Amino acid sequence: KNEVEQSPQNLTAQEGEFITINCSYSVGISALHWLQQHPGGGIVSLFMLSSGKKKHGRLIATINIQEKHSSLHITASHPRDSAVYICAVPREDTGNQFYFGTGTSLTVIP
Amino acid sequence: DGGITQSPKYLFRKEGQNVTLSCEQNLNHDAMYWYRQDPGQGLRLIYYSQIVNDFQKGDIAEGYSVSREKKESFPLTVTSAQKNPTAFYLCASSMRPGQGGIKNIQYFGAGTRLSVL
Repeated sequence: KNEVEQSPQNLTAQEGEFITINCSYSVGISALHWLQQHPGGGIVSLFMLSSGKKKHGRLIATINIQEKHSSLHITASHPRDSAVYICAVPREDTGNQFYFGTGTSLTVIP
Repeated sequence: DGGITQSPKYLFRKEGQNVTLSCEQNLNHDAMYWYRQDPGQGLRLIYYSQIVNDFQKGDIAEGYSVSREKKESFPLTVTSAQKNPTAFYLCASSMRPGQGGIKNIQYFGAGTRLSVL
């Protein structure tokens, strides 16, 4: 059983569509991370959140600690949003180690 | 600019050969990490180091070795004992755990893709 589950695994959208990627986790956490992996392979951190909602441009991340669920939304999607989005939660009592989801591969078609 | 540099971008290994992947950071981070990424799987931790001259095994350390002689550098050697080395390898760094309260953000390099000849 994976500690972090993401859905969907793959997602194709038309440019301009509203996109939602989901992440469920089974461990107690202090914060959850959303990462973006570009087609070339490099990874950047998008959000770190421990409650409520955060917004950065067209990206919105929400978390419900009680339900152990987080969502990443992309409004007005664009082809440059095409990437793999990864959810990660810290492992308890391990310093700075994480459980990583398998990622959601998003393709936005012009 | 501050960041993490991994080299080479692509690497090929012959049977029985050891190869070393480079990771350098100028973010003044104490902690550094090596991950392996395979298709359909989440990132898996190979080794991590929280301070110079100290490192610990992660979940899949067998067939790999590391060193941390300098704060800026954390090279990973894929030894001949690693029978399935073909994968994408990512290096990351962060502030040392405990500095900054909640779990710290990790900054990633661009990765090295290793293939077997």
